[in-house]
Amino acid sequence: EPEVTQTPSHQVTQMGQEVILRCVPISNHLYFYWYRQILGQKVEFLVSFYNNEISEKSEIFDDQFSVERPDGSNFTLKIRSTKLEDSAMYFCASTGQGIYQPQHFGDGTRLSIL
Amino acid sequence: GENVEQHPSTLSVQEGDSAVIKCTYSDSASNYFPWYKQELGKRPQLIIDIRSNVGEKKDQRIAVTLNKTAKHFSLHITETQPEDSAVYFCAATLSGGTSYGKLTFGQGTILTVHP
Repeated sequence: EPEVTQTPSHQVTQMGQEVILRCVPISNHLYFYWYRQILGQKVEFLVSFYNNEISEKSEIFDDQFSVERPDGSNFTLKIRSTKLEDSAMYFCASTGQGIYQPQHFGDGTRLSIL
Repeated sequence: GENVEQHPSTLSVQEGDSAVIKCTYSDSASNYFPWYKQELGKRPQLIIDIRSNVGEKKDQRIAVTLNKTAKHFSLHITETQPEDSAVYFCAATLSGGTSYGKLTFGQGTILTVHP
């Protein structure tokens, strides 16, 4: 069964540094998402991406965040100047065309800001 | 925007017992309700979902019911096994049309099944 893959699995970064999280969605999927989960809390929506542009973003997704699909397979989340409160698990998800399509999640990247 | 409330936050059962987790949602436009199981340190995995035009769906030991009028939906696990122990999340979204399907999750239920 095809899977969403994410790299790296764990990223440790100094506060103020830039970080890029990478995702390879399932190949025929058209909608891509980033979610985050602070330890012990629920999964929170960050951003959705379709047709090479952001379709929706949450209040968490401020000017420090950006997403990009640099080629036909990768989908990245960049945090420009990391803060301590950015420490969380970041999940990428993708889904296919059509109504009621389930979202498939990657294994996540654990981001630790020091 | 959508708000999803989930109860209970923790649930402890004996192996073989049933477990029920309940969620309510606020946006009557939501039409798709998936349930995810998350084991420690792992990805959320879809275990069952239900559409707004269906009242109940069953898959072996797992069933989900939806009451659109009351805006609540529930997960039922029968004959629980220790490997069912995990965190379970409900979610809601408006799927299709101009929506891009962002999921709003409940707070999660830690299910522990004791052998």
